[in-house]
Amino acid sequence: SQELEQSPQSLIVQEGKNLTINCTSSKTLYGLYWYKQKYGEGLIFLMMLQKGGEEKSHEKITAKLDEKKQQSSLHITASQPSHAGIYLCGAVRTPSGSARQLTFGSGTQLTVLP
Amino acid sequence: KAGVTQTPRYLIKTRGQQVTLSCSPISGHRSVSWYQQTPGQGLQFLFEYFSETQRNKGNFPGRFSGRQFSNSRSEMNVSTLELGDSALYLCASSPGLAGGPGTDTQYFGPGTRLTVL
Repeated sequence: SQELEQSPQSLIVQEGKNLTINCTSSKTLYGLYWYKQKYGEGLIFLMMLQKGGEEKSHEKITAKLDEKKQQSSLHITASQPSHAGIYLCGAVRTPSGSARQLTFGSGTQLTVLP
Repeated sequence: KAGVTQTPRYLIKTRGQQVTLSCSPISGHRSVSWYQQTPGQGLQFLFEYFSETQRNKGNFPGRFSGRQFSNSRSEMNVSTLELGDSALYLCASSPGLAGGPGTDTQYFGPGTRLTVL
């Protein structure tokens, strides 16, 4: 099984709808990164969560980290076509580890219909 | 600042050949990491270079190698190409700061799409 499970694998929503993507780890999380990728292109950094209970927001995207559950969620409010893409979570696996060696989930493909 | 650049963007090779991919990090960044992305295996860490030294290595065969130059630019090489090496190869740079998680965010380049025929 994957160390990092993302759900759902794909999501199709109507513009304006809210949505949530989850990332669950089978191992201890020492940091969790969220990236967005347009198909076949590089990853765009969204945000990083480090402490349990931490919540960060950027524009209409909010991410939370539940350390006990070893899970993170990414919530998009009032989705827009510009939010479409693949969302990837990346985990830091050691307490002294950095972001330079991340373990990634398989990604969630988001489609936003106008 | 200019972002991470990778050349070439697209490459077609045949089995048995070797290939070299190049990555120029963000100015001032000293760490460069390489990842392989395929539909089947997803995004997997290859190796990381810092100050011209390989600091971390993923679980890939010895056919995959890399190096970093004094200006932090990095190259990765794949020898004796196999069909399964077809992938998007992503380079990421970071300042290379010491410390715990959260101290050193990676910024990714656009990738090099390698097709092996």
